[in-house]
Amino acid sequence: GAVVSQHPSRVICKSGTSVKIECRSLDFQATTMFWYRQFPKQSLMLMATSNEGSKATYEQGVEKDKFLINHASLTLSTLTVTSAHPEDSSFYICSARVAYYGGNSPLHFGNGTRLTVT
Amino acid sequence: GIQVEQSPPDLILQEGANSTLRCNFSDSVNNLQWFHQNPWGQLINLFYIPSGTKQNGRLSATTVATERYSLLYISSSQTTDSGVYFCAVESLTGANSKLTFGKGITLSVRP
Repeated sequence: GAVVSQHPSRVICKSGTSVKIECRSLDFQATTMFWYRQFPKQSLMLMATSNEGSKATYEQGVEKDKFLINHASLTLSTLTVTSAHPEDSSFYICSARVAYYGGNSPLHFGNGTRLTVT
Repeated sequence: GIQVEQSPPDLILQEGANSTLRCNFSDSVNNLQWFHQNPWGQLINLFYIPSGTKQNGRLSATTVATERYSLLYISSSQTTDSGVYFCAVESLTGANSKLTFGKGITLSVRP
């Protein structure tokens, strides 16, 4: 149980275009989802916390107008990278927690999306 | 925010050897997870272990919350154990609950 599905797994886009990444909790409801970014040979860094039905909370240094997050339902959060540039090329991973259990429960991660901007 | 330190940063083992990976953290936690990231980037959830000891096959983990550290033990290592091992913690204090990752330990198991 507790499967998080993320799509697409890999995307290549041209500079200036926008890319949408979907994160779905397949067999549970998630009031909160988290978006992480990982550059090569580095650790995962939290970008934003996505809350169902409300605005996302962004970490310091993350541009909210560039990384649009929508969490319209208890099973789906989307991250849109707007006007992508080569420096946005990275590995993006989402995670979610089973809503019922609240804070004292593990986070479940998707398989990630490798974005390459040419 | 909470600080997470993992050691050693790199580890090379001969197949069949045992190893211990360490994670130190700077504050009380209500969540601690160990992950293995494979070459394709997939994060494999190994343990959810905010306290106590757990075992799963050749892997086991112990978290001593009062002393703010966790250990991941790998016994009889195999080449498929190679990859990056992350410890991630969620602080008990603070208004915003979020999982903070350490820098990871890169493990290479040689045949």
